[in-house]
Parts: sequence; structure tokens; C-alpha cells
Amino acid sequence: DAGITQSPRYKITETGRQVTLMCHQTWSHSYMFWYRQDLGHGLRLIYYSAAADITDKGEVPDGYVVSRSKTENFPLTLESATRSQTSVYFCASSPEGYEQYFGPGTRLTVT
Amino acid sequence: AQKVTQAQTEISVVEKEDVTLDCVYETRDTTYYLFWYKQPPSGELVFLIRRNSFDEQNEISGRYSWNFQKSTSSFNFTITASQVVDSAVYFCALSDLPMEYGNKLVFGAGTILRVKS
Repeated sequence: DAGITQSPRYKITETGRQVTLMCHQTWSHSYMFWYRQDLGHGLRLIYYSAAADITDKGEVPDGYVVSRSKTENFPLTLESATRSQTSVYFCASSPEGYEQYFGPGTRLTVT
Repeated sequence: AQKVTQAQTEISVVEKEDVTLDCVYETRDTTYYLFWYKQPPSGELVFLIRRNSFDEQNEISGRYSWNFQKSTSSFNFTITASQVVDSAVYFCALSDLPMEYGNKLVFGAGTILRVKS
């Protein structure tokens, strides 16, 4: 089906482990984004990408790494997970950089 | 700096009541974009509307309407004849970056709307 998907939907990991959250969109949108949603902070931008091989930091990039070798994929890697990275992670894409269309989210728990 | 304020943390109404969700924004740019998103209990974020700063026309879509007033830096959202399915968290968002940077969104804290039957 067309759209934007995220995997896994739920993940529990231990402190210090590397974790990769996947994001895939079938619309061939140029722009892609990663947000985290936390109580009291709303949605905050982690990283974004304007096209394949072009990425830039958002508001809270520390501890995260992204890559975008293909237009449709935008994985987010937590290099060494910490408890403060327990959150709900949303991926989004945008055709022209205006309205963004969000994936279903990944709920990550770091123990 | 950009800022979006949704002063109403939570609103409860009875079905069929009209309800208005407030959004006040701050930006130094003359060109910017405003958005509303809905997050139902299932958790996904659903795009509702985009408004450009140079277009102050109000918009109506079914039971939804939006009132954009640059003079008061507000972009309020009204649901007419609310229904239980309208229960969700509603986010107002702002972007004032050039398109080539992907119009990064700054979100308000959200307003929880509970519609009771």
C-alpha cells in the first residue's frame, strides 16, 4: 500500500545498545523528517533530509545518526541508547517541504 | 525565534457543541506557514490544513473551520457540532524556513479535546 511506514512499531532495548528505527515511504517525497514526541515537550525535530544524501540536524540531534541513500528510506539510529531516549518516534515525509505526512510512530523503551 | 502557544491544555464538550481551539504564534518572518494536525487515540498524526501567511481567507471544510488573523497572530480552529470521533489531541504548527530546508515545523504543546456523548 502507498504511504509511509515505520518499523518496528514497538521496541524495548537496553541502555548502551545500538537501535535502528526504519522509515519507508512510497510517495517518492523529497523531504523526510524524524521527530520525537515526549510529554511536556510536544514534538521535536531530530533530523531532516531534503533529498537522498542530504541530511541536516534538527532541534535535538545528539545521540542520533541518520542516513538517506535512497529517496524512500530514512533510517534513524541510536548509537548507544540511553533512558532519556525513551520516546515515541515519528517519521514524516513531504513532497514540497510544506505539509508533512506522518508515519504511525515507533514506541521505544530503553531500560 | 518561532513559537507556537496552545494555551488550552484540555477541553471537554458534549456532543453537538461547537468548540474552538486556540493557537497563537510568534515569528519574525513575513512569510510563514501554519498547520493543524490531529492525533487521535490510535496515535498517528493526521494533517488537517496548511495556511500561508499571505492568505488570510478563512477556510471551511465540512464541520471544520479555521480563522487566521495576522493582526493578533492567531490561527484558531473551530469544530461545529462536535462528535465523539473528534476526540483527539490537536496540534498547531508553524514553519518560517525556506522550502529548500524542508519547512521544519515547530509544534505547539497540543490541546486535548474530549467529546462526550
